[in-house]
Amino acid sequence: EAGVVQSPRYKIIEKKQPVAFWCNPISGHNTLYWYLQNLGQGPELLIRYENEEAVDDSQLPKDRFSAERLKGVDSTLKIQPAELGDSAVYLCASSHTGGTEAFFGQGTRLTVV
Amino acid sequence: AQSVTQLDSQVPVFEEAPVELRCNYSSSVSVYLFWYVQYPNQGLQLLLKYLSGSTLVKGINGFEAEFNKSQTSFHLRKPSVHISDTAEYFCAVRSKGGSEKLVFGKGTKLTVNP
Repeated sequence: EAGVVQSPRYKIIEKKQPVAFWCNPISGHNTLYWYLQNLGQGPELLIRYENEEAVDDSQLPKDRFSAERLKGVDSTLKIQPAELGDSAVYLCASSHTGGTEAFFGQGTRLTVV
Repeated sequence: AQSVTQLDSQVPVFEEAPVELRCNYSSSVSVYLFWYVQYPNQGLQLLLKYLSGSTLVKGINGFEAEFNKSQTSFHLRKPSVHISDTAEYFCAVRSKGGSEKLVFGKGTKLTVNP
């Protein structure tokens, strides 16, 4: 069974530029999460989807961050414009609805210069 | 709301020594408890989880954890560590029911020295 796939693995951009991350969850997993992991910290939830509906986006900075999950499968997380403080690892995870275990991708490490 | 406190940010040990990584949590509702491991430049991998039943939970790579409800703790242990156990370890909680978010601690960096 293929795991959660994220791309790109690494991204370096200049501040004020836009950037997008892509996530393909495990087949059949209806729940998809985007987490932000700052250096030396644990992951924090940005947004959670049930199928194509964002059911928890309370921690998503909506002035510059946006996300979508068209057709309830793949998801894209976008930042526009990026700031220096956005440098972090962005993790995607998925699970069965109501499942007890979330499976994580390898993450995208963003560096804003 | 839930919160997780990992009491040690760094734990250095020698190879073949035992190790305990401490985790305390706070929650007003019943929770599931998890330990994840993160190797450098990798995502998170589940080590073990407590859902219900026996308070001693065994996971992968020889790790185990014990749930203590009265002390709201879920400490991770391994009787003999290997160099390959060097990684960051995260304790996490999630409220029971639905697909609620995981709330993570800040992590403990375990370094196993030869």
